[in-house]
Amino acid sequence: NAGVTQTPKFRILKIGQSMTLQCTQDMNHNYMYWYRQDPGMGLKLIYYSVGAGITDKGEVPNGYNVSRSTTEDFPLRLELAAPSQTSVYFCASSYSTGFGSGANVLTFGAGSRLTVL
Amino acid sequence: EDKVVQSPLSLVVHEGDTVTLNCSYEVTNFRSLLWYKQEKKAPTFLFMLTSSGIEKKSGRLSSILDKKELFSILNITATQTGDSAVYLCALTSGTYKYIFGTGTRLKVLA
Repeated sequence: NAGVTQTPKFRILKIGQSMTLQCTQDMNHNYMYWYRQDPGMGLKLIYYSVGAGITDKGEVPNGYNVSRSTTEDFPLRLELAAPSQTSVYFCASSYSTGFGSGANVLTFGAGSRLTVL
Repeated sequence: EDKVVQSPLSLVVHEGDTVTLNCSYEVTNFRSLLWYKQEKKAPTFLFMLTSSGIEKKSGRLSSILDKKELFSILNITATQTGDSAVYLCALTSGTYKYIFGTGTRLKVLA
């Protein structure tokens, strides 16, 4: 049981380049999330998904896109990278049985450190 | 607006000291409060609290929630250098929303 797996761990991009951060989980969790963490700041939600085919914006979605074609995978796409997207990105997942059940423990991937120069 | 405020922002102690980390919150639809420990990688889960007054304990770490006064504390007794980390508090609101504080950076000196 690998949990939440993110790739790559590190990446340097030039301004204007695009890339995809990969995230996969093998816990059959229905909810998946992408967060970014800047130095001295809390985790900010970029996008989330409550199940395959369903995604929604979080607090800071500009400059990013996601898709969720399967339960396991939730890639994050950066289009036209900007220095403001330099950050550590965490993918996470949780399991919830629906409204009223309460949120469950969030399990994180190891993170992807992205630098845009 | 839902928010989580942690204090202090940072703390330096010596091995063997006891520390108390605070997490206060405002949330419209409280479900649970979670504590995480983050070393130089992904946050790892410590505790989930849903009911007031019930202490959760794991070794030297313990935590309690006060839903009337809207705060939680995380206690670490007999601190060790391995406790050095950022401790994150998060609230869950509804079924999917997790709101994180900025964390308390703890450094334990030998």
